[in-house]
Amino acid sequence: DGGITQSPKYLFRKEGQNVTLSCEQNLNHDAMYWYRQDPGQGLRLIYYSQIVNDFQKGDIAEGYSVSREKKESFPLTVTSAQKNPTAFYLCATSSRSSYNSPLHFGNGTRLTVT
Amino acid sequence: GEDVEQSLFLSVREGDSSVINCTYTDSSSTYLYWYKQEPGAGLQLLTYIFSNMDMKQDQRLTVLLNKKDKHLSLRIADTQTGDSAIYFCAETYQTGANNLFFGTGTRLTVIP
Repeated sequence: DGGITQSPKYLFRKEGQNVTLSCEQNLNHDAMYWYRQDPGQGLRLIYYSQIVNDFQKGDIAEGYSVSREKKESFPLTVTSAQKNPTAFYLCATSSRSSYNSPLHFGNGTRLTVT
Repeated sequence: GEDVEQSLFLSVREGDSSVINCTYTDSSSTYLYWYKQEPGAGLQLLTYIFSNMDMKQDQRLTVLLNKKDKHLSLRIADTQTGDSAIYFCAETYQTGANNLFFGTGTRLTVIP
């Protein structure tokens, strides 16, 4: 989706280091989300934000942190407390934080921690 | 909690129809979605169906919903090699937050 930019596409870090994944959108969507994808496990919600300066934990928030200082940006920090950080991370947005507003996804960042 | 299940793999020959199945447990599901993920990319919304509908057709795609059995299917007619991807079903219920519950995804392989 050209309206959602995730960078970088590939990221390598040493164990014990914090790392921040970028997500920027120009769709003027209110809600933004971070998902983690592991093989054979589908997508799991890490954090989501319905409006600026507000965010909620998803199903697997431990070891992650986020901020929402601007409508366009929702960076995700993977901290050293995350036990198994290697995964494919997907950012998504929706125009309303309601059940009938479909998600739009970025192209993802693949994080490898060694 | 909500549980959405899919078979992990499906192989079909080019030109045949593909049927990808999904079962869910939450009877209050309101919208059900099908997403497509190509290698190394994000998810692309293919289609969705509201829970008061039985069927929705969109060109080569047909979605069938059996609410009694909590079963959702996606049929792709005349499957092409470009249809090879992972297909996710997802469901959401009527809450204030848009929170989709995704299945594990079905990897469709189209054999030329």
